[in-house]
Amino acid sequence: GEDVEQSLFLSVREGDSSVINCTYTDSSSTYLYWYKQEPGAGLQLLTYIFSNMDMKQDQRLTVLLNKKDKHLSLRIADTQTGDSAIYFCAVFRTGFQKLVFGTGTRLLVSP
Amino acid sequence: EAGVTQFPSHSVIEKGQTVTLRCDPISGHDNLYWYRRVMGKEIKFLLHFVKESKQDESGMPNNRFLAERTGGTYSTLKVQPAELEDSGVYFCASSHDLVKGEQFFGPGTRLTVL
Repeated sequence: GEDVEQSLFLSVREGDSSVINCTYTDSSSTYLYWYKQEPGAGLQLLTYIFSNMDMKQDQRLTVLLNKKDKHLSLRIADTQTGDSAIYFCAVFRTGFQKLVFGTGTRLLVSP
Repeated sequence: EAGVTQFPSHSVIEKGQTVTLRCDPISGHDNLYWYRRVMGKEIKFLLHFVKESKQDESGMPNNRFLAERTGGTYSTLKVQPAELEDSGVYFCASSHDLVKGEQFFGPGTRLTVL
């Protein structure tokens, strides 16, 4: 079945850029999502990219997609302590209706 | 517009007991999903409702889990009898878009089975 992998942990300093990586196996994935989970909270939809795009920018967030390598990344510019959270990559294939998630990357931003 | 709500936020029960989780989707969203995250692992799909019909329940772990969505509004997920391995966070999501799959999640119910 579909497999989505992420590194478990990333630590950066406030003001630096963060890059969270994700790889997936299903080349038929149509939409790829990033969700954020803050401590004690639910999953917040951050952004998504359609599979025929290779980049999408939304304020401090940049999503890069390398469809050939099945690699997705989320770059957060000027990372703030409020960005500390778990970030989940999820892939969706139209017609299959379920999101397939990675294990989540815990981002820790230190002052 | 109110988001997806779930009740309770936490539940602690003993092995063998029954627990019922509730999810209220965003108004007007025909699609409702249940997911589960166990012990810090990935979030896994359990099932998908379209209105009151189960569209896909391929992720349901076993027959101790029963999901319903009578009337096509809120949904319940009952675990009976609960086992230790059922502990985790149960998320509900809703969507109105089957093409993009944009799903909006609730805060989750943390279930602890002792």
